[in-house]
Amino acid sequence: AQSVTQLDSHVSVSEGTPVLLRCNYSSSYSPSLFWYVQHPNKGLQLLLKYTSAATLVKGINGFEAEFKKSETSFHLTKPSAHMSDAAEYFCVVTAYTGNQFYFGTGTSLTVIP
Amino acid sequence: DARVTQTPRHKVTEMGQEVTMRCQPILGHNTVFWYRQTMMQGLELLAYFRNRAPLDDSGMPKDRFSAEMPDATLATLKIQPSEPRDSAVYFCASGLIGQRPNSPLHFGNGTRLTVT
Repeated sequence: AQSVTQLDSHVSVSEGTPVLLRCNYSSSYSPSLFWYVQHPNKGLQLLLKYTSAATLVKGINGFEAEFKKSETSFHLTKPSAHMSDAAEYFCVVTAYTGNQFYFGTGTSLTVIP
Repeated sequence: DARVTQTPRHKVTEMGQEVTMRCQPILGHNTVFWYRQTMMQGLELLAYFRNRAPLDDSGMPKDRFSAEMPDATLATLKIQPSEPRDSAVYFCASGLIGQRPNSPLHFGNGTRLTVT
């Protein structure tokens, strides 16, 4: 079985400071992991994906995430927050070839000017 | 860039009316998902199709919801009769699933449904 836990429902950072959004996963099989971003009134947009290649994954808009099997974590980071990063972020896990995608409950990121 | 297209973007209807939402998945994707998003429940999986065949619709209220894929370029989600509690944003997503590894899901921009 797979599941994902996003440890913070809300994160607030100042513009220009680092962003850390935390995600822990549970998976009986080799997982594929994804981070999505959702801006208001928009669909979910893929930020980055991990599919058993490099453990440090770089995505769009300066985001990256590190797959840590020993900690069952896939935290999302960005060195310097921008106002346009304010959005909802979802961590998603699926088995390598599984049918189901399991979504976290989302983390709302606020960026303070 | 290939995109998932959903129509309409917004729909306001009265209770009891039929609502049809449409989705054009990305060409070549073999799996189409329907999700519903509300503030209270977050993202809920309603149904999904593989190669146009329904694989799981256990997330849908069976008495009023139906989902179909009449062809590879069109998926539909119908609600009849609609109720105020159906008000939500409905998302379609497609992906190449069951390969090694699974592709990510690609989402449409959603249909915002308001039932009065």
